[in-house]
Amino acid sequence: EDQVTQSPEALRLQEGESSSLNCSYTVSGLRGLFWYRQDPGKGPEFLFTLYSAGEEKEKERLKATLTKKESFLHITAPKPEDSATYLCAVQARNTDKLIFGTGTRLQVFP
Amino acid sequence: DGGITQSPKYLFRKEGQNVTLSCEQNLNHDAMYWYRQDPGQGLRLIYYSQIVNDFQKGDIAEGYSVSREKKESFPLTVTSAQKNPTAFYLCASLPSGTDTQYFGPGTRLTVL
Repeated sequence: EDQVTQSPEALRLQEGESSSLNCSYTVSGLRGLFWYRQDPGKGPEFLFTLYSAGEEKEKERLKATLTKKESFLHITAPKPEDSATYLCAVQARNTDKLIFGTGTRLQVFP
Repeated sequence: DGGITQSPKYLFRKEGQNVTLSCEQNLNHDAMYWYRQDPGQGLRLIYYSQIVNDFQKGDIAEGYSVSREKKESFPLTVTSAQKNPTAFYLCASLPSGTDTQYFGPGTRLTVL
């Protein structure tokens, strides 16, 4: 069964304290792995799509990496405005469906 | 401005009533999706549509219905048969030839 597990559930960081969020997945042939950011009461905002092991993508303070079993979202020198829930999703080959994890709630304090 | 709109932002319903949530997009995307989000759970797929006049059930379609009469619109009806309808509902659309879904702002439905 296709499955996505995100850890930790919640993460509190001091401003400037770098860290990583984990997304472990089990899927019958990966078509793509997606990272989204979600602010309270709003829809998810697209961040990255990764397709193959070894691939990396960056956007401002965020960098996403992918292996055959997991993806990491690295946050370098976070700011309070990075506080949000980060969602990971995978899509298997030959399907249009996304399987979502439960998210990591990140809080960055000044 | 191009984008995905959902209305209303908040919706209250009495038990036993049907209610319809609106989702509109002017991005010329072919595929559209409805998800449900509950606290502590990942987004779950309700229904999706790849072309006009065609749609497929997702993982939790029971108690819901949809229509796709126009490319721009994909309304979701929450029927009285849905046992636990209180949730945050998200609509998404997918550009042709890509894999990345883009989400609307969501509708929070509360059953009183």
